[in-house]
Amino acid sequence: EAGVTQFPSHSVIEKGQTVTLRCDPISGHDNLYWYRRVMGKEIKFLLHFVKESKQDESGMPNNRFLAERTGGTYSTLKVQPAELEDSGVYFCASSQDSTIVSYEQYFGPGTRLTVT
Amino acid sequence: LAKTTQPISMDSYEGQEVNITCSHNNIATNDYITWYQQFPSQGPRFIIQGYKTKVTNEVASLFIPADRKSSTLSLPRVSLSDTAVYYCLVGDVSGNTPLVFGKGTRLSVIA
Repeated sequence: EAGVTQFPSHSVIEKGQTVTLRCDPISGHDNLYWYRRVMGKEIKFLLHFVKESKQDESGMPNNRFLAERTGGTYSTLKVQPAELEDSGVYFCASSQDSTIVSYEQYFGPGTRLTVT
Repeated sequence: LAKTTQPISMDSYEGQEVNITCSHNNIATNDYITWYQQFPSQGPRFIIQGYKTKVTNEVASLFIPADRKSSTLSLPRVSLSDTAVYYCLVGDVSGNTPLVFGKGTRLSVIA
């Protein structure tokens, strides 16, 4: 079974440019999450999709960030325009929607974003 | 969500048993205790989860005392490949809630 994949693995852009990150969750996982870690800080939640709907976007830092999950499959996270403080590692995770009590989310390898 | 406190770092020699303790004094009745492991340049990976007493799987054991205000992740006979950051998370696992990560414990295994 393929795991969560993210593309690109690394992106270097200039301040003011636009970047789009992509996440492909594990097939069949309705829940998709975006997290990020900025330098020296903890991993922080950004938002949560259930299928194509945004369940919780309380962690999105501002309106320069736009996440979509068309058709309830893969998701994109666009940053426009990028600022220096957006640099960090962006993780995507997915999980099944199950009646079994579980805190198990499957993470991708992350996209390292560097804004110069 | 309950706040967790764990050591910032630990060192161990290969072959030793490593115990990482996490404090969560404000744990709620519905909260579970979950541990994740993260290797460099990878995303976190679920290791083990428990509610009370002891849980064991092929990777680790989790010990939770009766008052549930702390928990201990036990890694038997660590190897160099166990060098990673280990996160203790506490929360209500119903409803597919987002994970709340702390700083974690950086374990370094030395040959």
